[in-house]
Amino acid sequence: NAGVTQTPKFRVLKTGQSMTLLCAQDMNHEYMYWYRQDPGMGLRLIHYSVGEGTTAKGEVPDGYNVSRLKKQNFLLGLESAAPSQTSVYFCASSFHEQGTEAFFGQGTRLTVV
Amino acid sequence: GENVEQHPSTLSVQEGDSAVIKCTYSDSASNYFPWYKQELGKRPQLIIDIRSNVGEKKDQRIAVTLNKTAKHFSLHITETQPEDSAVYFCAAPRPNSGYSTLTFGKGTMLLVSP
Repeated sequence: NAGVTQTPKFRVLKTGQSMTLLCAQDMNHEYMYWYRQDPGMGLRLIHYSVGEGTTAKGEVPDGYNVSRLKKQNFLLGLESAAPSQTSVYFCASSFHEQGTEAFFGQGTRLTVV
Repeated sequence: GENVEQHPSTLSVQEGDSAVIKCTYSDSASNYFPWYKQELGKRPQLIIDIRSNVGEKKDQRIAVTLNKTAKHFSLHITETQPEDSAVYFCAAPRPNSGYSTLTFGKGTMLLVSP
């Protein structure tokens, strides 16, 4: 099992450019999440999905969109990147039972210049 | 939504000492409290968790205690080793997501000096 895999690992964008981050999991998890991690801010939830075809907003959703067309994939899109979106992005997944372990991807370091 | 406060933000100890990190939460209905460890440049990984029906859980050198009345829980690491150096995050379920997501504390950077 590969677990949770994110692509790409690093990316530099110019302000106004768009990009999509891909998260794939092979553990048959129902739930998937996108977090951003900034120094001193911990992990903040951007969007999440409780199943194929469903998405919901987290704590900091503005400027991001997501899609869950297949159970194993969760895509995070930035339509018009801003310097404030410079961050490390983590995808995670878990089973649907409340209180189960969330498995994280290795992270994507995004810099917007 | 759930508010999780974590203290201290940094903690320096000598190898062999104990380390304690504390978190408070706001939603009295929360019933699951995990702790994640993130080594430098790596992904967060679950190290221990506790549910509200128990007050303490141990796993070798780490333990977590829960006080539901006071709404706080703590991570205890005994006989610290340099490889314990990392950032530790506590978390609690978010009520406005039907408890299907977690709110994380801001993290504690633990440095264990040899």
